[in-house]
Amino acid sequence: SAVISQKPSRDICQRGTSLTIQCQVDSQVTMMFWYRQQPGQSLTLIATANQGSEATYESGFVIDKFPISRPNLTFSTLTVSNMSPEDSSIYLCSVEIAQGRTEAFFGQGTRLTVV
Amino acid sequence: LAKTTQPISMDSYEGQEVNITCSHNNIATNDYITWYQQFPSQGPRFIIQGYKTKVTNEVASLFIPADRKSSTLSLPRVSLSDTAVYYCLVGDLNTGGFKTIFGAGTRLFVKA
Repeated sequence: SAVISQKPSRDICQRGTSLTIQCQVDSQVTMMFWYRQQPGQSLTLIATANQGSEATYESGFVIDKFPISRPNLTFSTLTVSNMSPEDSSIYLCSVEIAQGRTEAFFGQGTRLTVV
Repeated sequence: LAKTTQPISMDSYEGQEVNITCSHNNIATNDYITWYQQFPSQGPRFIIQGYKTKVTNEVASLFIPADRKSSTLSLPRVSLSDTAVYYCLVGDLNTGGFKTIFGAGTRLFVKA
């Protein structure tokens, strides 16, 4: 299993500013994932973060807006840049571990409100 | 990745068995079927995973017919605390680059 800690748990930010969300895992994992979940909606994958290489972004998400760092096998950050109210959402970090089955573990999420 | 289709919402009463069916007509040979549960203000939580026939664990059962074009998550004797969103996902676990793509999910409301 994996325990994931995200910081901050919530924040209220001014438009035009940036917020960096941290994700810490209690074990080493190859890939980490970042999702966005808007109120009442499903999860949308933003990007896959591999240690030692550039993150891979899904369609509709770009590095300039959502830069990601992955300095080691237990930590990653997602920055939401130049925020607008449309970026208000819950951002979740996830890892997948294969242990007889393949299971994704999620952090509790960061609730971001942009005003 | 195969697309999935689930009912948007379902209602049930405490003590009843709930069956949520997911359609995945384009499922590939190497694809597995996985279900997650999400409570408000929490990240999704793994429930069950299977490839074919029936899988059962302490939480639920997963029924997969021979053609694998659909699957049914069965929750026995639900309680109020089972009110959540349930996601059905289909994907190849053997590619080494797997990632979890979520569909719309089914909102289950359990009433007293």
